[in-house]
Amino acid sequence: SQKIEQNSEALNIQEGKTATLTCNYTNYSPAYLQWYRQDPGRGPVFLLLIRENEKEKRKERLKVTFDTTLKQSLFHITASQPADSATYLCALDLNSGYALNFGKGTSLLVTP
Amino acid sequence: GAVVSQHPSWVICKSGTSVKIECRSLDFQATTMFWYRQFPKQSLMLMATSNEGSKATYEQGVEKDKFLINHASLTLSTLTVTSAHPEDSSFYICSAEGLAGDRDEQYFGPGTRLTVT
Repeated sequence: SQKIEQNSEALNIQEGKTATLTCNYTNYSPAYLQWYRQDPGRGPVFLLLIRENEKEKRKERLKVTFDTTLKQSLFHITASQPADSATYLCALDLNSGYALNFGKGTSLLVTP
Repeated sequence: GAVVSQHPSWVICKSGTSVKIECRSLDFQATTMFWYRQFPKQSLMLMATSNEGSKATYEQGVEKDKFLINHASLTLSTLTVTSAHPEDSSFYICSAEGLAGDRDEQYFGPGTRLTVT
């Protein structure tokens, strides 16, 4: 069956450092992969999309890599800030239109 | 742009009653909307795909007679939880894929917290 795995353990880092979150998937050949941010009690907010033919994508302090051989995506937040504290979700298309299959997310806590 | 709203943001109802949740695309037309459910510390799980003017497509294991979906217009989809039970308590989130944005992006609503007592 198709699986998306994100590190279930919370990631605690110090302000100013780079946070790196991992998303691994199995039994997928996704056309693209997406990263979302979710705050407690709120819906997900889109951050970045990377397509299968792209190896890296950047947006301000965010960087996403996509290795279709390893079936892995890495999500980096550079110069992290306490406001970056949230749960970050990895999502892949469900091959049935544009519906998404989400990982459980990784909780990030950035401390001053 | 590309704002999706949900109403209500939270609701408490008694077991056996029905609850309707609205999902609206405020500044674009959404031909397709999706309904997800999220239990605490779990991932969002797709419940159904809602297309304007046609019947919704439900994911395996989701009872279509219990979770009624109506996508009556290009800006509104509703999810009605019928005869709600405590196990239906969850966070319900809708999303929309519309004509105004990148087709590969979905715009999510803020979610509706349902508590069934």
